[in-house]
Order: sequence, then C-alpha cells, then structure tokens
Amino acid sequence: EVQLVESGGGLVQPGGSLRLSCAATGFTFSSYWMSWVRQAPGKGLEWVANMKQDGSEIYYVDSVKGRFIISRDNAKKSLYLQMNSLRAEDTAVYYCARYYVWGGVLDYWGQGTLVTVSS
Amino acid sequence: QSALTQPPSASASPGQSVTISCTGTSSDVGGYNYVSWYQQHPGKAPKLMIYEVSKRPSGVPDRFSGSKSGNTASLTVSGLQAEDEADYYCSSYAGSNNLGVFGTGTKVTVL
Repeated sequence: EVQLVESGGGLVQPGGSLRLSCAATGFTFSSYWMSWVRQAPGKGLEWVANMKQDGSEIYYVDSVKGRFIISRDNAKKSLYLQMNSLRAEDTAVYYCARYYVWGGVLDYWGQGTLVTVSS
Repeated sequence: QSALTQPPSASASPGQSVTISCTGTSSDVGGYNYVSWYQQHPGKAPKLMIYEVSKRPSGVPDRFSGSKSGNTASLTVSGLQAEDEADYYCSSYAGSNNLGVFGTGTKVTVL
C-alpha cells in the first residue's frame, strides 16, 4: 500500500525557516517524480514544486522561487521542502504527492502538514 | 500559469447527476489529454478520481466520468450520493517545463 507521511510543520515567524519531510512507503520511491502542493486556509490547491527521480529536473511556482528548495534522498525514501524567508502568505497545509509525469497526475497524496507563518 | 476556471458551486438531489466544467487554454487543457480530477472532503487530503481525461483509478465508482472538448474538461457524477458532497478540483499538465495547474475548485452539495 502506497503511503506518504509528511512532518515538520508548525508555527514560524515571518522571515523564518522550516523544513518539511515526507516519508514514502509501499512503492519504489526512486522510480517516481515527486511533488509538493499547498492549500491556504479556505482556499484552493496550489502546485508548489516538482522533482524528477534523480533530481536533474526541478520546477517551482514563481511565488516560492529563490526561497524554497525541494530535495530528495532516494536511499531514505524521503522528500523534503526547505522553506526560507517565510511570509504570511505561505501559511497553508503542505501535501507531498507522487507525480506520474506521463499522465500529469498526482496519484497518491499524504495527509498534509500545516505551516503557519505568524508573529 | 493561471488557474483553470471552475464554477464555485454545483448541486443536485440524491440520485441525480451533476456536471462540473473546467476551462483552460490551448497551453494546458486543450493541448494535452492529461486532465485529472480530485475529490476533497473537509479536513482531508485530495483523492484522485479521474486521470487522462476519462480514466478511473481502481476503486473509484463508475458513477464518476470525465470528458473533454477543446479547452474545457468536465466531470460528471451520476446517481449522486450523500458521500459525494465534497470539493472537486481539476488539474492539467501544462508542458514538460512547467508545473501542472489546478482549477479554482467546485463545492458540490447534495440537496
């Protein structure tokens, strides 16, 4: 059974940093693109970042470029999101998802972790 | 990349059908047969319901169907049930050098 479990969310002050983690089980992690998607309170879904299996291709939404870094450790079957220079508008539930690139589809999602940026 | 356009809400009585539209451009919805639909209940993670316009993952009831014409995709839920009440989001592939793009979301209410 495919499972994705996020961790690392919490309350952080504006300008601060946070690192999210996503532990994957039930599939060959190193064979799949992975993604981060976020959802601000009461709002819709926003695609944040994609990362290819070997890290050779990475894409970010414009609003996080230069501040967020997506990375992965295939040996640990884990995906990460380093978030720096956090802003109030980054407050959201952050989901880790498996990305099937040939269909452009996020086929499995984690339960999400809440990041709150506030003083 | 602009969000795909969905109606904010849709409703129907139990047993009836509801159809949700998802309008994009030739750079996303119209350019690829890679439209997906996700169901999200309050406080829960999104769940994949339709992929590649009209394909259903294992375990998704055949009451859920998808289609596409030009730059607009649609999700139809037939034989509406109480548990279908949720938010629905479409998404589309937008090219090999881009992230995917989501729709604005539609709240489906079972009357």
